Amino acid sequence: KAGVTQTPRYLIKTRGQQVTLSCSPISGHRSVSWYQQTPGQGLQFLFEYFSETQRNKGNFPGRFSGRQFSNSRSEMNVSTLELGDSALYLCASSPAATGPSSYNEQFFGPGTRLTVL
Amino acid sequence: GESVGLHLPTLSVQEGDNSIINCAYSNSASDYFIWYKQESGKGPQFIIDIRSNMDKRQGQRVTVLLNKTVKHLSLQIAATQPGDSAVYFCAENSGGYQKVTFGIGTKLQVIP
Repeated sequence: KAGVTQTPRYLIKTRGQQVTLSCSPISGHRSVSWYQQTPGQGLQFLFEYFSETQRNKGNFPGRFSGRQFSNSRSEMNVSTLELGDSALYLCASSPAATGPSSYNEQFFGPGTRLTVL
Repeated sequence: GESVGLHLPTLSVQEGDNSIINCAYSNSASDYFIWYKQESGKGPQFIIDIRSNMDKRQGQRVTVLLNKTVKHLSLQIAATQPGDSAVYFCAENSGGYQKVTFGIGTKLQVIP
């Protein structure tokens, strides 16, 4: 079974631009979560999508948004990029977990390395 | 300018020895704890997990210990190998669906 794939793997943008990152989960997985990894803040939860609905959100500004499609593929968008948005953006997928207390193992992709100049 | 990064604790272990990586967690309501391994250029990889109603769980060459009294988690790796060199993260889930809160990580260096 193919793992989680993320595209592109590397991206360079300038301040003020916007960017869209893509994540294809493992086949059959309906939950997709996004994380930001930086040297200064470590790994931080951005948001989670399940059945095309955002059901949890981390503490990030509204410039960070996402969506999920009917095939469970997900995209995240960052608008008006800032230097501090330079990071590794990781996507993780997991099987269906219906309740808020029903955690399932997450499988991470290799990430998209975003550099903002 | 130069960014200030988190200071990752580093554990250096001789090949063949056992490794113990420690983690203090903050949320006493967390009911699920996970250890991840992250190699350079890759995403985190699941190693082992444990629920809050347990205090020990064993996998292949790895053991996780949970002490809820002092909110402490540890990962023991038996017979450490060069391929174990990586950054290890503890993480916790306290409901909130799949949201996981990660610790800062520990870098494990295996000396051949």
